[in-house]
Amino acid sequence: DAGVTQSPTHLIKTRGQQVTLRCSPKSGHDTVSWYQQALGQGPQFIFQYYEEEERQRGNFPDRFSGHQFPNYSSELNVNALLLGDSALYLCASSLGGTSYEQYFGPGTRLTVT
Amino acid sequence: SQQGEEDPQALSIQEGENATMNCSYKTSINNLQWYRQNSGRGLVHLILIRSNEREKHSGRLRVTLDTSKKSSSLLITASRAADTASYFCVAGANSKLTFGKGITLSVRP
Repeated sequence: DAGVTQSPTHLIKTRGQQVTLRCSPKSGHDTVSWYQQALGQGPQFIFQYYEEEERQRGNFPDRFSGHQFPNYSSELNVNALLLGDSALYLCASSLGGTSYEQYFGPGTRLTVT
Repeated sequence: SQQGEEDPQALSIQEGENATMNCSYKTSINNLQWYRQNSGRGLVHLILIRSNEREKHSGRLRVTLDTSKKSSSLLITASRAADTASYFCVAGANSKLTFGKGITLSVRP
């Protein structure tokens, strides 16, 4: 049973660039949520996708956008990168647009220089 | 904000002892979840308690919820070195999870 997978594992970008992170949910799950985790902090909710639509959004600027594909996989795009965007980006999957018992991927470590 | 705020921020105990972690949140929830994070296994769901429940058990874990006080506690009995990790109290409402800053638990062999 495949768990949540994310790619790439690590990424180094320069300020002002754009980045795309990818996530495949756990087999059987149809809902994907994205989180940003700064060092020493808890994960912060970015947004959730269900039925290919953004259903919930946290307090993040429009530079953060996403997409969900018909196979339930998802992408997180961040434009005009800032140094403060450096963090671990976590993807979590669940069922039915809910947040019950989310399964998290290993994350993508993004460093902005 | 529905942020869960954990107490204490750090806890160090001897293997075999019990660990109790507390959490408070600010607004209405429909569930309260606890997650664990360590470098080996990433972020893992431990237990969920719904707002109409008061206590729940899962293996060595016991969680309580007091909605009148907007607080929850997580008890880990007979701790093991492998329980060393960061523990997060997570307030759940309307499909959105709000994590606290976490509690760092160290279990000494």
